[in-house]
Amino acid sequence: AQKITQTQPGMFVQEKEAVTLDCTYDTSDQSYGLFWYKQPSSGEMIFLIYQGSYDEQNATEGRYSLNFQKARKSANLVISASQLGDSAMYFCAMREGYNFNKFYFGSGTKLNVKP
Amino acid sequence: DTAVSQTPKYLVTQMGNDKSIKCEQNLGHDTMYWYKQDSKKFLKIMFSYNNKELIINETVPNRFSPKSPDKAHLNLHINSLELGDSAVYFCASSRDSFKKGYTFGSGTRLTVV
Repeated sequence: AQKITQTQPGMFVQEKEAVTLDCTYDTSDQSYGLFWYKQPSSGEMIFLIYQGSYDEQNATEGRYSLNFQKARKSANLVISASQLGDSAMYFCAMREGYNFNKFYFGSGTKLNVKP
Repeated sequence: DTAVSQTPKYLVTQMGNDKSIKCEQNLGHDTMYWYKQDSKKFLKIMFSYNNKELIINETVPNRFSPKSPDKAHLNLHINSLELGDSAVYFCASSRDSFKKGYTFGSGTRLTVV
């Protein structure tokens, strides 16, 4: 089974609107971390936000927030007030407590922000 | 100060050649990784070293050989390059905790012609 599933290969959003990028995960570990990374066309991987499995509050970092629904095993990224510079690939990833040496990545979502 | 630096950024070479990619991190992280990103942007782990010891060795052709002279360096040597090796190769490092993410290098775009 896939550890991380991103079902949206590509998405469009109008500038200044909010957008949600979906991510579901699969683990039997109680301790795990969920991450989102951004990869612009320049190619570098930029860390955006982290959510721990024991965190009761949803993580927020500026315009990024993580909608963490533990029972559903989902960790969706919400970008508020989209900007043209948000156009990029977005990767959801997970690291398990039991086997933290591996970092599981989803297949990514390509976000295009329209002016 | 670059946290994870990879060189070269671009590498164009002919089939059959041997090439190396170097990676260095100055974050004091315990573990370093090599990932391959294919043309569909899928990220696949290749190798992982913890304090100079190989801990992950995924199904990778043995033409690929990692070397870690010390905790701060992880190099990737590729022998007899093939067209299918064309990809972006990322080095990354992290602390040993599920609460910590990776810090990535800027990537090396390898093109085999």
